Amino acid sequence: NAGVMQNPRHLVRRRGQEARLRCSPMKGHSHVYWYRQLPEEGLKFMVYLQKENIIDESGMPKERFSAEFPKEGPSILRIQQVVRGDSAAYFCASSPGAGGGYEQYFGPGTRLTVT
Amino acid sequence: SQQGEEDPQALSIQEGENATMNCSYKTSINNLQWYRQNSGRGLVHLILIRSNEREKHSGRLRVTLDTSKKSSSLLITASRAADTASYFCATVVNDYKLSFGAGTTVTVRA
Repeated sequence: NAGVMQNPRHLVRRRGQEARLRCSPMKGHSHVYWYRQLPEEGLKFMVYLQKENIIDESGMPKERFSAEFPKEGPSILRIQQVVRGDSAAYFCASSPGAGGGYEQYFGPGTRLTVT
Repeated sequence: SQQGEEDPQALSIQEGENATMNCSYKTSINNLQWYRQNSGRGLVHLILIRSNEREKHSGRLRVTLDTSKKSSSLLITASRAADTASYFCATVVNDYKLSFGAGTTVTVRA
């Protein structure tokens, strides 16, 4: 049973380019969460999605960032026109159900570097 | 704002010693979770303690929860070099959103 998969593991983008981060949840999990970790800090919640629905995007910047979780395929976190401040590790987690009683299983993360 | 705050920020101990770290949080919780992150890697879930529990054990890990003081502690007994990592507490906000502290970095010296 494969865990949460994220790709790419490392991504380098120049300022102004687009970054696409992919997350495949664990088999049977339909709830996906994205978190961002800046250097020397804890993870910060960005967005919570269920299949084809954004449930809570309160932690996501209003501009340049978007997320989707289509019926088929992985969840995508998209950052348009990246800036140096977007450099961080982006983690995806999945769970089999909603609610705090369910453990969130984390992927290995995508480390984005903006040059 | 962050819900959980770990203390100390960093801890260095000798192999075989115990490591204790604390977490304080601000609002009421349903449960509190501890995670481990090895350098450059993802998070590994260690233990979940519910608000009606006071203590929980998992192998060499012992977690306590004091809801009156809004604090939790994680004890690692008989530490090993492989325990070198950052440890985070996380509380659940709005029933699904994990709110993490900045973490405690533990270094176990051989």
